[in-house]
Order: sequence, then C-alpha cells, then structure tokens
Amino acid sequence: QSALTQPASVSGSPGQSITISCTGTSSDVGGYNYVSWYQQHPGKAPKLMIYEVSNRPSGVPDRFSGSKSGNTASLTISGLQAEDEADYYCSSYTSSNHVVFGGGTKLTVL
Amino acid sequence: QVQLQESGPGLVKPSQTLSLTCTVSGGSISSGDYYWSWIRQPPGKGLEWIGYIYYSGSTYYNPSLKSRVTISVDTSKNQFSLKLSSVTAADTAVYYCARDDSSSGSSIDYWGQGTLVTVSS
Repeated sequence: QSALTQPASVSGSPGQSITISCTGTSSDVGGYNYVSWYQQHPGKAPKLMIYEVSNRPSGVPDRFSGSKSGNTASLTISGLQAEDEADYYCSSYTSSNHVVFGGGTKLTVL
Repeated sequence: QVQLQESGPGLVKPSQTLSLTCTVSGGSISSGDYYWSWIRQPPGKGLEWIGYIYYSGSTYYNPSLKSRVTISVDTSKNQFSLKLSSVTAADTAVYYCARDDSSSGSSIDYWGQGTLVTVSS
C-alpha cells in the first residue's frame, strides 16, 4: 500500500483559512468515508481532529472541518491561530482492512 | 479515560528482535469496537502504520513489514505486544501503541506517549 499524498507544507496568516489535501485511490480514500485527520505538535503524540471525513471529536474547535471529493480528502482550518502550527496527517481505511497514512503536512502560521 | 503506555528496550542491536508491550488502562482491551494498533515514526519523518490486532487475536499487518512483524494480545493482562525481527537502522523510530475505533471509521482516538527505539550496535 502506498502512502496517501499530502503537500509537504502550507502556510497562512492568523485569521486566514488554509486547506490541506490528501490524495489516495479508489481502494482507500475514494472507496470509504473513513478518512481521519491528526494534528501533531513537536515531541507529542498525534491528536485526532477529524474522523469519518467530516466529523469532529468532542473538544475539537469548529474551525476545523473536513470534506472529500472522489479520491481526495481535505482538511480546512479557518480563523488560523498560532497554536494551529503543527504537522497534520491524514489516514484512511483500506480495502485490505488496513490503515494508510499520508506523508504529513507542516503548517506554518506566519 | 483510556490510557495506553508503551514499554520495552530503548536500544536494540542490528539483526535482533525489537519487542514492545502496550498496557491499556481505563478500559477493557476486549471491547468489541476496537483494534489495537502499532504505529511508528522515524525521527523527522511521517507516521507509518505497522498493524493492528483484535481482541480475538485476528491480525492485520502493513504489507511492507508483514514478513518481520508479529502482534499479539493478552486479554488477561489488558496488554498487547509488538515484535519486529531482523531490525536495521531503518527501524529506528518512535513507536506508538494506539486504539483504533472501528465504529468511527477506523479513527485512532487514543495514543500512547510513544517510545523511542534506536537500532545500533
């Protein structure tokens, strides 16, 4: 299984919105509404931000939203804040009953 | 509140077997909705899914690691374990144990703090 494709980096100014894409295939992202997004600050374990494409766990701000079209999922962060600066990873369930991660995207808040 | 804690050697010699155990507290490993996962992250790199196990013992492994990986579960101790054989420097990574919620699209809702395993002679 190949890793999902994410941009290496994105940036935005406080208050702006950014979108991170996550591209897979019909065997993973495109085949199921089972895409998750994780936020990871340096030295910390990842934190679940979005599950099942667009659902937010309790406690995650509604500034974080997810969507999917075909084989590409997206994470949008609106009203960027300094504390959003982190690495973001997507993951998807696959047709082999496995999980595959994206390569990760470094978000810089300017 | 579910908590997971990895334990095991932080240094393993090349060609030997890496062994880690994850102890789950605050919830039963026998709960039907969850798969118990191992994920690793080489220094400065991204996350890599290693595999997971259901409490019944069913296992699923990353094809790229399948020949070297064994994940097992001990429900009596509320623990699950990872063995990775014939390790090389490329296996140096932070290893996380985690809970995969199959009722929420295979999302990983609880993670251990991670443990750094270095492969070096």
